Amino acid sequence: GNSVTQMEGPVTLSEEAFLTINCTYTATGYPSLFWYVQYPGEGLQLLLKATKADDKGSNKGFEATYRKETTSFHLEKGSVQVSDSAVYFCALSSGGYQKVTFGIGTKLQVIP
Amino acid sequence: GAVVSQHPSWVICKSGTSVKIECRSLDFQATTMFWYRQFPKQSLMLMATSNEGSKATYEQGVEKDKFLINHASLTLSTLTVTSAHPEDSSFYICSARGRRGVEETQYFGPGTRLLVL
Repeated sequence: GNSVTQMEGPVTLSEEAFLTINCTYTATGYPSLFWYVQYPGEGLQLLLKATKADDKGSNKGFEATYRKETTSFHLEKGSVQVSDSAVYFCALSSGGYQKVTFGIGTKLQVIP
Repeated sequence: GAVVSQHPSWVICKSGTSVKIECRSLDFQATTMFWYRQFPKQSLMLMATSNEGSKATYEQGVEKDKFLINHASLTLSTLTVTSAHPEDSSFYICSARGRRGVEETQYFGPGTRLLVL
């Protein structure tokens, strides 16, 4: 079956530091890949996505590239802010109903 | 603004009672709705998938008689936790998939926190 593996947190960074959250996946066929963000007390929000190999998703300074050869979709941001503190979920969808499979989530804490 | 709403946002109930959670797509028609459960410090686990007017498809290990799902219209799905027990306490999240604008996208509701005493 499908699965998503991402690094467990928490990840603590100083403001303006570089962020990488690793994500690898196992899936049949050609899944779409996503990063979702969950701010404290809020629901999931789509951060970015990529639907085919070598696509790069980007939003709010975050980016991730769909690497089929390494089955990875690592999330990066060049300079994090305190407001980026949240839980980040890597996910994939595939199949007729496009069911979404989530990783365990990585908590990011950015300190001033 | 939000495109998928859930009601209630939190609920506390006594053991043995039933609780209904509503999920609505606000400005699009949801061809498919999903229900997830999230335990503290864990990921979202898909419970079931439903299409409007048909029976829900439950994931392995999810009791369909305990978690009743109704997808009555293209904008409304309900999850009823029957005879709730403390182990059912969790964060329940719905998701709606449909065409909003050019492409079909999946949107998540804000979640419902259930506490069973």
